[in-house]
Amino acid sequence: IAGITQAPTSQILAAGRRMTLRCTQDMRHNAMYWYRQDLGLGLRLIHYSNTAGTTGKGEVPDGYSVSRANTDDFPLTLASAVPSQTSVYFCASSEGPGDHNEQFFGPGTRLTVL
Amino acid sequence: GQNIDQPTEMTATEGAIVQINCTYQTSGFNGLFWYQQHAGEAPTFLSYNVLDGLEEKGRFSSFLSRSKGYSYLLLKELQMKDSASYLCAVMDSNYQLIWGAGTKLIIKP
Repeated sequence: IAGITQAPTSQILAAGRRMTLRCTQDMRHNAMYWYRQDLGLGLRLIHYSNTAGTTGKGEVPDGYSVSRANTDDFPLTLASAVPSQTSVYFCASSEGPGDHNEQFFGPGTRLTVL
Repeated sequence: GQNIDQPTEMTATEGAIVQINCTYQTSGFNGLFWYQQHAGEAPTFLSYNVLDGLEEKGRFSSFLSRSKGYSYLLLKELQMKDSASYLCAVMDSNYQLIWGAGTKLIIKP
């Protein structure tokens, strides 16, 4: 593994189903983030984690949950998917939560909820 | 509210220079980032400004004026591979990044 990986690459999901998007980084970064990217809108922060064992809510957290059991993994769960959650999801990480820390992004997961 | 504004789309010619502007209104300021995103790919870091002035990195330069809430990304000697979206993001007082919608740059031969 080099950098950040996400799985699956893409997924079509029926409304009401539960889905977990996986994210793993091997850079030993403390901070991790989940964003969604929709056409015409900027990246929007869903949830974040400043260090293993802690999580926080971003701009659009409703309908999503996260956990950070260890440094490397930061899964995002949709408990009951709805069509408005159709989007491209990016996981990112940075050395820390503070300023000047650039964020490194995974390749993204394209999710379609029907 | 917090707001980042940048043009939706720009067109430039190969070999030329283009300036992409970004204006922002955020709750606090802890730096401004520029990212490049090719279609269907992840954003990649280009530059970071926290003090006023110009930061130069090869063909790319980024400028910041905190008093004006303004930044620009300058791309010189444009190449076809520079066709991409350019994302402006400001780190607010909570150290969260607020993102603009991005500027799609089209390079013509």
